[in-house]
Amino acid sequence: AQSVAQPEDQVNVAEGNPLTVKCTYSVSGNPYLFWYVQYPNRGLQFLLKYITGDNLVKGSYGFEAEFNKSQTSFHLKKPSALVSDSALYFCAVRDIAGSARQLTFGSGTQLTVLP
Amino acid sequence: KAGVTQTPRYLIKTRGQQVTLSCSPISGHRSVSWYQQTPGQGLQFLFEYFSETQRNKGNFPGRFSGRQFSNSRSEMNVSTLELGDSALYLCASSPGTGASYNEQFFGPGTRLTVL
Repeated sequence: AQSVAQPEDQVNVAEGNPLTVKCTYSVSGNPYLFWYVQYPNRGLQFLLKYITGDNLVKGSYGFEAEFNKSQTSFHLKKPSALVSDSALYFCAVRDIAGSARQLTFGSGTQLTVLP
Repeated sequence: KAGVTQTPRYLIKTRGQQVTLSCSPISGHRSVSWYQQTPGQGLQFLFEYFSETQRNKGNFPGRFSGRQFSNSRSEMNVSTLELGDSALYLCASSPGTGASYNEQFFGPGTRLTVL
C-alpha cells in the first residue's frame, strides 16, 4: 500500500523568508512524487514531480523539492516566500511497482505567508 | 490547449436524489480520474477511466458510478444522495500511457451540496 503524510496542517511564514512544507511517504517499491497547490475555489495545480535522477527538483513559481530516499521525504521549499504563495499544498505519491495506478494524496498543508 | 472543464460548477440537491457530473479532459488525454475532496477526509480517489473502461476504483459504495465516452469525456453519477456526499468533486486528466501518465491535470471541480 502507498501512503503520504503531511505532518503540519498549517505553516505560517513571513514574506521574504524561506518556506518548507513537509511530506513523507511510504511505498513498497520506488516512488513517483508530486506537489500540487490549490487556491480557494479552484482545482489543483501541478507544481513539480520527482520521477528519477537528481534529488533536487525545480518546479513552477520558484518552488523546489528535495527527494530523500533514506528519510522517505519529499519536502517542498522556496527560498523567499510571497504573500501570493498562500494556499493549500498537497503532496502525492504513486508506487512505481504497485498495482494501484492512482495517486495517493496527503491531507494537505495550509500555507499562510504574512506580509 | 484548453484545460479540464467540469460542469456544473455548483449543485444543490436534497437527500435521496441523484446527480450527474460531467468532465471534459484535455484534448488527446485518454485517462480521466475522479476525486472527492472534503475537509474531514481530504482528497479521496473515486475511480479512473481509460479508453471507456474503468481501470481503477477506490473504496466508495456502489452509489458512486461513472462512465467514459468515446471522446474521453466522463460522467460521474451519485444515486440516493446522503448529507455526507457534500463535497468538491474533482476531475483530473492525463494521457494515460507512458511516463507522462503520472502527471494529472485537474479541473476546477463541482461543488455539490446535499440538503
